[in-house]
Amino acid sequence: DARVTQTPRDKVTEMGQEVTMRCQPILGHNTVFWYRQTMMQGLELLAYFRNRAPLDDSGMPKDRFSAEMPDATLATLKIQPSEPRDSAVYFCASGLVRTGGYEQYFGPGTRLTVT
Amino acid sequence: GQNIDQPTEMTATEGAIVQINCTYQTSGFNGLFWYQQHAGEAPTFLSYNVLDGLEEKGRFSSFLSRSKGYSYLLLKELQMKDSASYLCAVRDSNYQLIWGAGTKLIIKP
Repeated sequence: DARVTQTPRDKVTEMGQEVTMRCQPILGHNTVFWYRQTMMQGLELLAYFRNRAPLDDSGMPKDRFSAEMPDATLATLKIQPSEPRDSAVYFCASGLVRTGGYEQYFGPGTRLTVT
Repeated sequence: GQNIDQPTEMTATEGAIVQINCTYQTSGFNGLFWYQQHAGEAPTFLSYNVLDGLEEKGRFSSFLSRSKGYSYLLLKELQMKDSASYLCAVRDSNYQLIWGAGTKLIIKP
């Protein structure tokens, strides 16, 4: 049963600290998404990659957030420095682009709390 | 701008039928998705419509009218475990998913 995995599941950190979240997409999927979800904003797309190349990161605050795919099995989202307003659940999702469309499979999320 | 509207919250009774509506205005259309999200969990895929009409999958059905920019998710024989948020998402001309805010469905015994 292939699944998207994310680590850590929970992270509590102090303002100003660096936070790195990791995601392992489903093997064979060629598209990876990073989302942030809060009660107020719902699901927001932060960045997405296709075949490891960043296609869109316009939803991401560039001054503090960065997203990378060092290889096909790992995607990372980094926040430096973190701020209390970054507190949210961060989801990674992967999909396989093919004719007719595709659905996204979500990981369990990383619940980030910045104090 | 791009916009997806769905009711914030709905309440229904166990065993009944409920219809969750979604209207959209997007730059292009390449399919509409419904996802289910239980509290504290990740969204999971329910259905995908790209052509007009009804797609049935067990107790869940999804309908699409592209000319009206409208979809609904129909849940039959409601069970307590159906209590969740239901997210409507539209894939636009750039193949990006535009997400609605979700409809919280509360099932009462």
